[in-house]
Amino acid sequence: DGGITQSPKYLFRKEGQNVTLSCEQNLNHDAMYWYRQDPGQGLRLIYYSQIVNDFQKGDIAEGYSVSREKKESFPLTVTSAQKNPTAFYLCASSPSRGYTFGSGTRLTVV
Amino acid sequence: AQRVTQPEKLLSVFKGAPVELKCNYSYSGSPELFWYVQYSRQRLQLLLRHISRESIKGFTADLNKGETSFHLKKPFAQEEDSAMYYCALSDQGGSEKLVFGKGTKLTVNP
Repeated sequence: DGGITQSPKYLFRKEGQNVTLSCEQNLNHDAMYWYRQDPGQGLRLIYYSQIVNDFQKGDIAEGYSVSREKKESFPLTVTSAQKNPTAFYLCASSPSRGYTFGSGTRLTVV
Repeated sequence: AQRVTQPEKLLSVFKGAPVELKCNYSYSGSPELFWYVQYSRQRLQLLLRHISRESIKGFTADLNKGETSFHLKKPFAQEEDSAMYYCALSDQGGSEKLVFGKGTKLTVNP
């Protein structure tokens, strides 16, 4: 069954901690993306990667980091530098702009 | 800079009534436009793209370059159309990243 898997579904983080959100796809897509979804804000691009071992910053990359060591995986780390990390995070992959989205991870800072 | 504007945060219609979700964009090049939909408790998914000029679930959208608009229309709304709708834009000639609008929540009342 092809698709994108995000884990965990819910994540709680203490202030000052780094956390990593997982995104795995078995669609053989080259490009992968991380978006942040906030109420009334729509989707804002954090980072994207068009090929293995390469990635670019999106519009709101500060406080986040990514890696793309494998085609299938594009993990996102939310660092302690991110001032307002509580949000819903969406991962997507695409062969050509017709994105396939994961089910999301809701991160809450406690 | 690329920008997508969805002027209505909320839109409410009655079942059987026509519905139009507005989308305006700002881009100097040749854009590719999309509509994505997120039903309650489901993943964000592609509804339609202007290049394919198709009708999905009774919805159509025409790209109007003169008015820089890509409004989504359906002649007779159904209750199952209630969802969050996002308009998105991509640069055809460059990277595959999408810029999303802030979304319109459509409610179709019985």
